[in-house]
Amino acid sequence: GENVEQHPSTLSVQEGDSAVIKCTYSDSASNYFPWYKQELGKRPQLIIDIRSNVGEKKDQRIAVTLNKTAKHFSLHITETQPEDSAVYFCAASPIQGAQKLVFGQGTRLTINP
Amino acid sequence: NAGVTQTPKFQVLKTGQSMTLQCAQDMNHEYMSWYRQDPGMGLRLIHYSVGAGITDQGEVPNGYNVSRSTTEDFPLRLLSAAPSQTSVYFCASSYSESRETQYFGPGTRLLVL
Repeated sequence: GENVEQHPSTLSVQEGDSAVIKCTYSDSASNYFPWYKQELGKRPQLIIDIRSNVGEKKDQRIAVTLNKTAKHFSLHITETQPEDSAVYFCAASPIQGAQKLVFGQGTRLTINP
Repeated sequence: NAGVTQTPKFQVLKTGQSMTLQCAQDMNHEYMSWYRQDPGMGLRLIHYSVGAGITDQGEVPNGYNVSRSTTEDFPLRLLSAAPSQTSVYFCASSYSESRETQYFGPGTRLLVL
């Protein structure tokens, strides 16, 4: 089955700097890759996703890149702000059939003022 | 719309007890799923359903049962609680199995003594 590895487990950056979180996956059949943000004590919320026919996707300060050959994808947050502090999870799923997300272990991002 | 709701918010069980975690959504979503979240392990899929009357196992189904008699409700039953089932449980739903954005409920924190 699918296995998703996420790095780093913790990340601390200065406000205004960029943050990058990386994930690798094992199943070449996976072709849907969402990223979720979870604030302390709250539910996970989708922030961006990418499908295998796209190499990069941007939404304001957030971008995701995908390298299907190398089986890795990354989340990029630019101009970080204190409200970006949270735990971020990547996930992978085959797009055909029922959605069965396999999540990474999470990255705790701290933005230092 | 209330979105995805879960009850209870917090529960303490003794080993061997059984209970049902409730999940409901009012968005007419066909796809519903249950995840457990443990520290350092991300979220893991327990069971999922692609519509009323249809359920299937996820990554960690042992010790849990589900049923889907209506589109709105997807309860998770713990048959005989064990300390290893201490976790935070999230229910999620999406419009269909192919509409990938999943909306999570607020979670149920379960402690098994």
